[in-house]
Amino acid sequence: AQSVTQLDSHVSVSEGTPVLLRCNYSSSYSPSLFWYVQHPNKGLQLLLKYTSAATLVKGINGFEAEFKKSETSFHLTKPSAHMSDAAEYFCVVSDRGTDKLIFGTGTRLQVFP
Amino acid sequence: GAVVSQHPSWVICKSGTSVKIECRSLDFQATTMFWYRQFPKQSLMLMATSNEGSKATYEQGVEKDKFLINHASLTLSTLTVTSAHPEDSSFYICSARDRGLLSVGNTIYFGEGSWLTVV
Repeated sequence: AQSVTQLDSHVSVSEGTPVLLRCNYSSSYSPSLFWYVQHPNKGLQLLLKYTSAATLVKGINGFEAEFKKSETSFHLTKPSAHMSDAAEYFCVVSDRGTDKLIFGTGTRLQVFP
Repeated sequence: GAVVSQHPSWVICKSGTSVKIECRSLDFQATTMFWYRQFPKQSLMLMATSNEGSKATYEQGVEKDKFLINHASLTLSTLTVTSAHPEDSSFYICSARDRGLLSVGNTIYFGEGSWLTVV
């Protein structure tokens, strides 16, 4: 069965500094992985997805993630944080057999001025 | 781009009553829709998979008689919380997959979510 583990429940950075949100996955085959962002009291927005093409995936708003099979990781990064990046971020794996999405526990990103 | 719309965004209902939440795909047809619930400061938990023209598939522990799901058309799925109680208060989110995308790992679009408060 697939699963994802988000290693940090909270991450705090200063505006203009890099962002790193960590995610490890467990899957018996090549997974499809996603990062979603949820702003307070809002729905979910897809940042990026990996579906066995290029291992470095570029998403919206300057975010990118690198699929590393040897490390079973799919960490989300951004070179320079903006105040508007403050939100909850979810690492997600797709269940190949059913297309269900399995969510990590989330990482709350705080950005300080 | 594809848009999934949920209605209502906020609803307050009295304990014991039923409330219906709609999920619509606005510019694509969705043979499959998913319903999630999210408690405050927690992750999303899949409740059920809604299949057009057939019965929904519920996750373990989800009461199918309490959370009625209907997917009568390719663009609409509804979730009805029957005999609602305060513990049903939660954020409910739907998602939909474009039937035109064939491979696993297709982009799944989420609605804006619906806040349910049962008083």
